[in-house]
Amino acid sequence: DQQVKQNSPSLSVQEGRISILNCDYTNSMFDYFLWYKKYPAEGPTFLISISSIKDKNEDGRFTVFLNKSAKHLSLHIVPSQPGDSAVYFCAASTGNPGGKLIFGQGTELSVKP
Amino acid sequence: NAGVMQNPRHLVRRRGQEARLRCSPMKGHSHVYWYRQLPEEGLKFMVYLQKENIIDESGMPKERFSAEFPKEGPSILRIQQVVRGDSAAYFCASSLNRGPGTEAFFGQGTRLTVV
Repeated sequence: DQQVKQNSPSLSVQEGRISILNCDYTNSMFDYFLWYKKYPAEGPTFLISISSIKDKNEDGRFTVFLNKSAKHLSLHIVPSQPGDSAVYFCAASTGNPGGKLIFGQGTELSVKP
Repeated sequence: NAGVMQNPRHLVRRRGQEARLRCSPMKGHSHVYWYRQLPEEGLKFMVYLQKENIIDESGMPKERFSAEFPKEGPSILRIQQVVRGDSAAYFCASSLNRGPGTEAFFGQGTRLTVV
């Protein structure tokens, strides 16, 4: 039972353009969502998060949008840079017991110069 | 401030041997989580521990796998009698708190290969 889904295994974008990574979830009890970035042979690195009481959170070039009614969130990267090329994981958690994250399968982003 | 430290980075075991994976959380963090990533898949939660306590082990296989986080020393994920299907990257994460909004910091992982 895949509670968090990233349906696009890969995405290719031109440098300077917008990258949009999507994530869908099925569990309405999720109350916190996070995006992690992962390079090969390294651990995931936290990027940005959003609480379920918000619909948008912005941090520099990264913005996460949450649509609770559609159980959908997206990560926007503007402008995209070659260094953004990595695998991006969407993750979700509930308040109880907290901390435990349910991950999507990941989307590999390639930003071409 | 050192991040989450995992060792070894790479571990090769023959079928039937034991694998011990170690994780030292970030300084001041008392919550530790273990995740497993199989090839071409996302990270799957295995177990959540606080000092000397297992909080949630709902993702742990019922047999051969165990985890501990003693009062002193690193957290250990132990896999007995390894099989080829145990080959994966095992990631440890730690956090300062628990509850909504808890950000977990990950180590670089241990890549276990069973031959």
